[in-house]
Amino acid sequence: NAGVTQTPKFQVLKTGQSMTLQCAQDMNHNSMYWYRQDPGMGLRLIYYSASEGTTDKGEVPNGYNVSRLNKREFSLRLESAAPSQTSVYFCASGNRDAANYGYTFGSGTRLTVV
Amino acid sequence: AQSVTQLGSHVSVSEGALVLLRCNYSSSVPPYLFWYVQYPNQGLQLLLKYTSAATLVKGINGFEAEFKKSETSFHLTKPSAHMSDAAEYFCAVTPSGGYQKVTFGTGTKLQVIP
Repeated sequence: NAGVTQTPKFQVLKTGQSMTLQCAQDMNHNSMYWYRQDPGMGLRLIYYSASEGTTDKGEVPNGYNVSRLNKREFSLRLESAAPSQTSVYFCASGNRDAANYGYTFGSGTRLTVV
Repeated sequence: AQSVTQLGSHVSVSEGALVLLRCNYSSSVPPYLFWYVQYPNQGLQLLLKYTSAATLVKGINGFEAEFKKSETSFHLTKPSAHMSDAAEYFCAVTPSGGYQKVTFGTGTKLQVIP
């Protein structure tokens, strides 16, 4: 099925560990995004990539890095996990006309840092 | 800069009753507006969008929303609630014209009482 695929779906980390969240889309979208979702705070943009080869910070980038590996893949890395990074992470993709058509979201990665 | 405010983090309605979820936006340029729905343990999916065509927008599952510039509102309605409508709903805004980032509201959880 076409769409946005995120792996893993669940992860538990110890404070200070590192990990990479993977995201891939097969809709030939140019733009990809990483959001985190926390209760009562909605979705907050961490990083985005407007096109292959470019990445930019969003609203809450501290503690994260990203890589736009190719047009399909956009990964999010936590170098030294902290309990404050416990959240549900969503990857999304869209085209330049995402403003017209909206985003397509993955099903999320639920991350717990202990 | 743009923002959205969703009034009411939780809304309860009886099955068969009117659903009204409120969203007010702020944007320095004409906006594009969206409603997304999130079912438990799933990603967000686009419910409907306003992109400067008709001010009354119809979406999936019987939902609709009306863009009111004078009130800076984009409230979501459904005439008769169904149990399957229980979910969290997010309003989102982006400035019109070309590539732009989308800003999400904090969400409203809809409970449908049998």
